[in-house]
Amino acid sequence: DAGVTQSPTHLIKTRGQQVTLRCSPISGHKSVSWYQQVLGQGPQFIFQYYEKEERGRGNFPDRFSARQFPNYSSELNVNALLLGDSALYLCASSARQGMNTEAFFGQGTRLTVV
Amino acid sequence: AQKVTQAQTEISVVEKEDVTLDCVYETRDTTYYLFWYKQPPSGELVFLIRRNSFDEQNEISGRYSWNFQKSTSSFNFTITASQVVDSAVYFCALSEVLSGSARQLTFGSGTQLTVLP
Repeated sequence: DAGVTQSPTHLIKTRGQQVTLRCSPISGHKSVSWYQQVLGQGPQFIFQYYEKEERGRGNFPDRFSARQFPNYSSELNVNALLLGDSALYLCASSARQGMNTEAFFGQGTRLTVV
Repeated sequence: AQKVTQAQTEISVVEKEDVTLDCVYETRDTTYYLFWYKQPPSGELVFLIRRNSFDEQNEISGRYSWNFQKSTSSFNFTITASQVVDSAVYFCALSEVLSGSARQLTFGSGTQLTVLP
């Protein structure tokens, strides 16, 4: 079975541009979460989606938005990119949204803003 | 807000040595879950263990063992007879409820483990 897949794997953008990152969860998983991992730090929570609805949002500006599609795949959009947005963006899928649910992570999209 | 502290930024050991990675957490919740993840250079976070706050039994899985002590809010991870393939960044994480059943993982800053041959 395929794990969590993210695309693209690497991306270089210029300040002020917009970017869309994609995530396909494990088959049967209905919850997708997004995390930002800046170099040398632990991942930080951005969004959680479950059954196509936003269920939680971390402390990120409105430039960050996301959505989940009927097939449970998800997109993360970042507008007006800043140099500080350079990071590894990780997608995690889980079968449910509960606290005890194991989250499976993709390999991430490494975004570089120049 | 919840917090996870991994005080050891980097650890180097020689192959076959035992190594313990420390994790201390803060939470006001009475029910919570703790996790350990491994992140190899490829970037993917690999799940290692999940432990709920009501289960303080230590757990052993092959060369890996975990010591959960609620009294000291610690959830330490020991690798016995370390191998070069254990080299990675290890993260401790705490599951935090957002609203309803939604939750987020709060991660520590990670410990870079290097196992030398």
